[in-house]
Amino acid sequence: NAGVTQTPKFQVLKTGQSMTLQCAQDMNHEYMSWYRQDPGMGLRLIHYSVGAGITDQGEVPNGYNVSRSTTEDFPLRLLSAAPSQTSVYFCASTGVDEQYFGPGTRLTVT
Amino acid sequence: GENVEQHPSTLSVQEGDSAVIKCTYSDSASNYFPWYKQELGKRPQLIIDIRSNVGEKKDQRIAVTLNKTAKHFSLHITETQPEDSAVYFCAATSGSARQLTFGSGTQLTVLP
Repeated sequence: NAGVTQTPKFQVLKTGQSMTLQCAQDMNHEYMSWYRQDPGMGLRLIHYSVGAGITDQGEVPNGYNVSRSTTEDFPLRLLSAAPSQTSVYFCASTGVDEQYFGPGTRLTVT
Repeated sequence: GENVEQHPSTLSVQEGDSAVIKCTYSDSASNYFPWYKQELGKRPQLIIDIRSNVGEKKDQRIAVTLNKTAKHFSLHITETQPEDSAVYFCAATSGSARQLTFGSGTQLTVLP
């Protein structure tokens, strides 16, 4: 039981490049979400999904896309990276109440 | 939507003393309030949570209190130890689907 996994752990992008952050969970949870964490700002919700085929926007969705084709996977796509997207990204999977976080992806956009 | 404010942003205590972190929330419909601990470079991990039908919950040296009328909740850590040093986040539900809104975090430093 791996819980929530994320890849890559670190990534450096140039402005304008696109990439996909991968997230997977093996707990059969319906609810998954993506957060970004910036210094002094806590964790802010980017997008979330309540089940396969269903996604919705969180607090800061601009510049990001998500899809949920299976219960296990919830990838986050950066369409055209900007320096403002430099952050640490956490994927989370929610059971009855507790959110289980992945190890995070540290993204730097130059 | 929900808004969660957390104070203080930094807190230093001597080992063995108590630490208190406070949060306020705006949405009176919120009914679940977890606290997360995040060590440097690690993921946030749940340390304690409380539901709106309970006023206080305790787990060894950690306790959380909730005042629904005033819309605030607090984390209490007694007999602090150096390993308690970390960033602590409060959170509250916002709307349905278990969406959490987080506070901005408190950097707790326990001085030996």
